[in-house]
Amino acid sequence: QVQLQQWGGGVLKPSETLSLTCAVYGGSFSGYYWSWLRQPPGKGLEWIGESNVSGTTNYNPSLKSRVAISVDTSKNQFSLKLSSMTAADTAVYYCARGMASYGRRVGLDNWGQGTPVTVSS
Amino acid sequence: QAGLTQPPSVSKGLRQIATLTCTGNNFHVDNQGVSWLQQRQGHPPKLLSYRNNNRPSGISERFSASRSGDTASLTITGLQPEDEADYYCTTWDNSLRGWVFGGGTKLTVL
Repeated sequence: QVQLQQWGGGVLKPSETLSLTCAVYGGSFSGYYWSWLRQPPGKGLEWIGESNVSGTTNYNPSLKSRVAISVDTSKNQFSLKLSSMTAADTAVYYCARGMASYGRRVGLDNWGQGTPVTVSS
Repeated sequence: QAGLTQPPSVSKGLRQIATLTCTGNNFHVDNQGVSWLQQRQGHPPKLLSYRNNNRPSGISERFSASRSGDTASLTITGLQPEDEADYYCTTWDNSLRGWVFGGGTKLTVL
């Protein structure tokens, strides 16, 4: 039974950097793609980016200049840093595991519990 | 770039059948497959189906997915009160190199 447990975030001031970490328990860390997503209050899901265990990343072009996702294979953890935060970045942030089959992404099958992040002066 | 369109809301009665749709403008080109997520209020999303019509372990057979051309569908039979939730379709966009989501459909079970 794979579990993703995430922490970090909270209340940030404008221009600060968000840092979140997600730990993976009970399953393999390799062979998957590890994503961060977010959901503003009352709105839909937005994908932020992903990394595989080799550190190869893909980012949402709208956030690419501010995002960094890294992995720590020794701890089965991956992390998100999002810089220059503004009120528009206020959201619940989720980590998730992406499945792949023959090189194609097929679904996000395990999710963290979500972390609310508020940006306010 | 794939764009996914979902109706904002669907209402159906208890024990009825609901069919939620997701229209994409690039499914037939990239053939990446569509997955569906259920999100109950205050909870993280849960994967219901992937690669068009595969159910993860533990997902009820009441949920079935299909795709025809540019339209993917999620059919829920025998609606129960716990099915009331937001449902999102998603697909991997090869040109964007990322996941794209529909805006979500709020299902109300009357």
